[in-house]
Amino acid sequence: GAVVSQHPSRVICKSGTSVKIECRSLDFQATTMFWYRQFPKQSLMLMATSNEGSKATYEQGVEKDKFLINHASLTLSTLTVTSAHPEDSSFYICSARDLGTPKEFFGPGTRLTVL
Amino acid sequence: GENVEQHPSTLSVQEGDSAVIKCTYSDSASNYFPWYKQELGKRPQLIIDIRSNVGEKKDQRIAVTLNKTAKHFSLHITETQPEDSAVYFCAASLNQAGTALIFGKGTTLSVSS
Repeated sequence: GAVVSQHPSRVICKSGTSVKIECRSLDFQATTMFWYRQFPKQSLMLMATSNEGSKATYEQGVEKDKFLINHASLTLSTLTVTSAHPEDSSFYICSARDLGTPKEFFGPGTRLTVL
Repeated sequence: GENVEQHPSTLSVQEGDSAVIKCTYSDSASNYFPWYKQELGKRPQLIIDIRSNVGEKKDQRIAVTLNKTAKHFSLHITETQPEDSAVYFCAASLNQAGTALIFGKGTTLSVSS
Protein backbone atom coordinates (compact mmCIF):
# COMPACT_ATOMS: atom_id res chain seq x y z
CA GLY A 1 0.00 0.00 0.00
CA ALA A 2 0.84 3.73 -0.02
CA VAL A 3 2.22 3.87 -3.53
CA VAL A 4 2.87 7.19 -5.22
CA SER A 5 3.63 7.39 -8.91
CA GLN A 6 5.12 10.28 -10.81
CA HIS A 7 5.30 10.89 -14.53
CA PRO A 8 7.43 11.47 -16.48
CA SER A 9 10.53 10.11 -14.80
CA ARG A 10 12.81 12.10 -17.05
CA VAL A 11 12.23 15.02 -19.40
CA ILE A 12 14.49 17.13 -21.56
CA CYS A 13 13.07 20.30 -22.98
CA LYS A 14 14.13 23.48 -24.70
CA SER A 15 14.38 26.76 -22.87
CA GLY A 16 11.08 28.64 -22.92
CA THR A 17 8.82 25.61 -23.07
CA SER A 18 6.50 24.37 -20.34
CA VAL A 19 6.66 20.98 -18.69
CA LYS A 20 3.91 19.22 -16.76
CA ILE A 21 4.68 16.65 -14.08
CA GLU A 22 1.97 14.39 -12.67
CA CYS A 23 1.87 12.91 -9.19
CA ARG A 24 -0.65 10.21 -8.34
CA SER A 25 -1.49 8.33 -5.18
CA LEU A 26 -2.37 4.88 -6.48
CA ASP A 27 -3.96 3.11 -3.53
CA PHE A 28 -5.03 5.84 -1.16
CA GLN A 29 -6.64 9.24 -1.17
CA ALA A 30 -4.33 12.15 -0.55
CA THR A 31 -5.93 15.35 0.59
CA THR A 32 -2.48 16.89 0.74
CA MET A 33 0.41 16.50 -1.65
CA PHE A 34 3.76 18.22 -1.48
CA TRP A 35 6.21 19.23 -4.18
CA TYR A 36 9.94 19.26 -3.52
CA ARG A 37 12.99 20.16 -5.48
CA GLN A 38 16.30 18.44 -4.87
CA PHE A 39 19.68 19.53 -6.18
CA PRO A 40 22.56 17.03 -6.36
CA LYS A 41 23.85 15.99 -2.94
CA GLN A 42 21.40 18.28 -1.19
CA SER A 43 18.31 17.87 0.89
CA LEU A 44 14.71 18.12 -0.24
CA MET A 45 13.53 21.69 -0.55
CA LEU A 46 9.80 22.13 -0.10
CA MET A 47 8.31 24.17 -2.94
CA ALA A 48 4.61 24.07 -2.20
CA THR A 49 1.81 22.32 -0.39
CA SER A 50 -1.05 21.21 -2.59
CA ASN A 51 -4.49 20.73 -1.07
CA GLU A 52 -7.27 19.07 -3.02
CA GLY A 53 -9.78 21.58 -4.29
CA SER A 54 -7.95 24.68 -3.13
CA LYS A 55 -5.02 26.83 -4.12
CA ALA A 56 -1.54 25.63 -3.36
CA THR A 57 0.52 27.21 -0.62
CA TYR A 58 3.95 28.20 -1.87
CA GLU A 59 7.11 28.48 0.16
CA GLN A 60 8.93 31.78 0.32
CA GLY A 61 10.99 32.39 -2.78
CA VAL A 62 9.02 30.00 -5.01
CA GLU A 63 7.28 31.80 -7.87
CA LYS A 64 3.69 30.63 -8.05
CA ASP A 65 3.28 31.92 -11.60
CA LYS A 66 6.25 29.88 -12.72
CA PHE A 67 5.46 26.68 -10.85
CA LEU A 68 1.75 26.09 -11.37
CA ILE A 69 0.21 23.49 -9.12
CA ASN A 70 -3.18 21.90 -9.56
CA HIS A 71 -4.71 19.34 -7.21
CA ALA A 72 -7.92 18.51 -8.99
CA SER A 73 -8.70 15.22 -7.28
CA LEU A 74 -7.80 13.24 -4.19
CA THR A 75 -5.34 11.16 -6.20
CA LEU A 76 -3.74 13.60 -8.63
CA SER A 77 -1.63 16.71 -8.35
CA THR A 78 0.25 18.32 -11.22
CA LEU A 79 3.20 20.68 -11.29
CA THR A 80 3.74 22.74 -14.44
CA VAL A 81 7.06 24.47 -14.87
CA THR A 82 6.25 27.36 -17.18
CA SER A 83 8.76 28.99 -19.50
CA ALA A 84 11.48 26.70 -18.25
CA HIS A 85 15.08 27.89 -18.16
CA PRO A 86 18.32 25.99 -17.57
CA GLU A 87 18.36 27.04 -13.92
CA ASP A 88 15.09 25.13 -13.47
CA SER A 89 16.92 21.89 -14.22
CA SER A 90 16.59 19.75 -11.13
CA PHE A 91 15.07 16.64 -9.58
CA TYR A 92 11.42 17.29 -8.72
CA ILE A 93 9.76 14.94 -6.25
CA CYS A 94 6.19 14.85 -5.05
CA SER A 95 4.87 13.25 -1.90
CA ALA A 96 1.43 12.40 -0.65
CA ARG A 97 -0.03 11.99 2.77
CA ASP A 98 -2.84 9.57 3.49
CA LEU A 99 -5.80 11.03 5.31
CA GLY A 100 -5.55 10.58 9.06
CA THR A 101 -1.85 9.71 9.15
CA PRO A 102 1.27 11.84 9.25
CA LYS A 103 3.16 9.34 7.08
CA GLU A 104 4.36 10.88 3.84
CA PHE A 105 5.18 8.76 0.81
CA PHE A 106 7.26 9.94 -2.10
CA GLY A 107 6.97 9.54 -5.82
CA PRO A 108 10.00 8.33 -7.80
CA GLY A 109 10.89 11.83 -8.92
CA THR A 110 11.25 13.59 -12.26
CA ARG A 111 14.62 14.58 -13.61
CA LEU A 112 14.12 17.82 -15.57
CA THR A 113 16.83 19.04 -17.90
CA VAL A 114 16.31 22.36 -19.66
CA LEU A 115 18.60 22.98 -22.60
CA GLY B 1 9.23 28.06 11.86
CA GLU B 2 10.74 24.66 12.39
CA ASN B 3 14.46 24.11 11.76
CA VAL B 4 16.09 20.69 11.73
CA GLU B 5 19.83 20.20 12.12
CA GLN B 6 21.38 16.85 11.22
CA HIS B 7 24.83 15.46 12.04
CA PRO B 8 27.13 14.14 10.80
CA SER B 9 26.93 15.02 7.10
CA THR B 10 29.00 11.95 6.21
CA LEU B 11 29.58 8.74 8.11
CA SER B 12 31.80 5.83 7.17
CA VAL B 13 31.65 2.53 9.05
CA GLN B 14 32.86 -1.00 8.63
CA GLU B 15 30.34 -3.71 7.92
CA GLY B 16 28.94 -5.01 11.18
CA ASP B 17 29.53 -1.79 13.08
CA SER B 18 26.76 0.44 14.38
CA ALA B 19 25.90 3.83 12.91
CA VAL B 20 24.24 6.71 14.72
CA ILE B 21 22.80 9.82 13.12
CA LYS B 22 21.55 12.68 15.25
CA CYS B 23 19.04 15.44 14.62
CA THR B 24 17.83 18.40 16.61
CA TYR B 25 14.69 20.41 16.04
CA SER B 26 13.69 23.87 17.13
CA ASP B 27 9.89 23.86 17.42
CA SER B 28 8.76 22.19 20.63
CA ALA B 29 5.30 21.76 19.07
CA SER B 30 6.63 19.27 16.50
CA ASN B 31 5.37 15.81 17.31
CA TYR B 32 6.19 13.55 14.39
CA PHE B 33 9.72 12.50 13.43
CA PRO B 34 10.30 10.22 10.44
CA TRP B 35 13.54 8.98 8.94
CA TYR B 36 13.99 8.43 5.22
CA LYS B 37 16.60 6.52 3.26
CA GLN B 38 17.42 7.71 -0.24
CA GLU B 39 19.59 5.81 -2.67
CA LEU B 40 21.18 7.65 -5.56
CA GLY B 41 18.57 8.77 -8.09
CA LYS B 42 15.74 7.10 -6.18
CA ARG B 43 12.86 8.31 -4.08
CA PRO B 44 13.20 8.76 -0.30
CA GLN B 45 11.86 5.69 1.48
CA LEU B 46 10.32 5.91 4.94
CA ILE B 47 12.28 3.51 7.13
CA ILE B 48 11.04 4.35 10.61
CA ASP B 49 9.14 7.07 12.41
CA ILE B 50 8.32 8.08 15.94
CA ARG B 51 5.70 10.24 17.53
CA SER B 52 6.26 12.49 20.49
CA ASN B 53 4.39 10.28 22.94
CA VAL B 54 7.01 7.54 22.51
CA GLY B 55 10.66 7.65 23.57
CA GLU B 56 12.01 4.80 21.49
CA LYS B 57 10.96 2.59 18.61
CA LYS B 58 12.74 -0.36 17.10
CA ASP B 59 12.35 -2.29 13.86
CA GLN B 60 14.88 -5.10 13.46
CA ARG B 61 18.29 -3.44 13.01
CA ILE B 62 16.92 0.08 13.06
CA ALA B 63 15.89 2.09 16.10
CA VAL B 64 14.95 5.69 16.73
CA THR B 65 15.13 7.50 20.06
CA LEU B 66 13.48 10.78 20.94
CA ASN B 67 14.33 13.22 23.72
CA LYS B 68 11.58 15.81 23.78
CA THR B 69 13.16 17.85 26.54
CA ALA B 70 16.38 18.29 24.63
CA LYS B 71 14.54 18.39 21.29
CA HIS B 72 16.69 15.81 19.61
CA PHE B 73 16.17 12.42 18.05
CA SER B 74 18.56 9.83 16.71
CA LEU B 75 18.66 6.96 14.24
CA HIS B 76 20.58 3.86 15.25
CA ILE B 77 21.51 1.17 12.75
CA THR B 78 23.12 -1.95 14.16
CA GLU B 79 25.06 -4.65 12.32
CA THR B 80 25.42 -2.42 9.28
CA GLN B 81 25.56 -3.98 5.83
CA PRO B 82 26.83 -2.57 2.51
CA GLU B 83 23.24 -2.20 1.34
CA ASP B 84 22.66 0.27 4.16
CA SER B 85 24.86 2.71 2.24
CA ALA B 86 22.65 5.64 1.24
CA VAL B 87 21.69 9.16 2.26
CA TYR B 88 19.54 9.33 5.37
CA PHE B 89 17.26 12.26 6.12
CA CYS B 90 15.55 13.08 9.37
CA ALA B 91 12.47 15.25 9.42
CA ALA B 92 10.07 16.86 11.85
CA SER B 93 6.54 18.10 11.58
CA LEU B 94 3.46 19.07 13.43
CA ASN B 95 0.99 16.27 12.86
CA GLN B 96 -1.72 18.45 11.36
CA ALA B 97 -3.44 18.37 8.01
CA GLY B 98 -1.47 20.28 5.41
CA THR B 99 1.65 20.65 7.54
CA ALA B 100 4.82 19.81 5.65
CA LEU B 101 7.82 17.86 6.85
CA ILE B 102 10.94 19.89 7.51
CA PHE B 103 14.02 17.92 6.53
CA GLY B 104 17.55 17.87 7.82
CA LYS B 105 20.37 18.23 5.31
CA GLY B 106 21.05 14.52 5.17
CA THR B 107 23.79 12.10 6.17
CA THR B 108 25.69 10.07 3.60
CA LEU B 109 26.36 6.68 5.16
CA SER B 110 29.01 4.47 3.60
CA VAL B 111 29.36 0.90 4.82
CA SER B 112 32.49 -0.83 3.63
CA SER B 113 32.90 -4.59 3.62
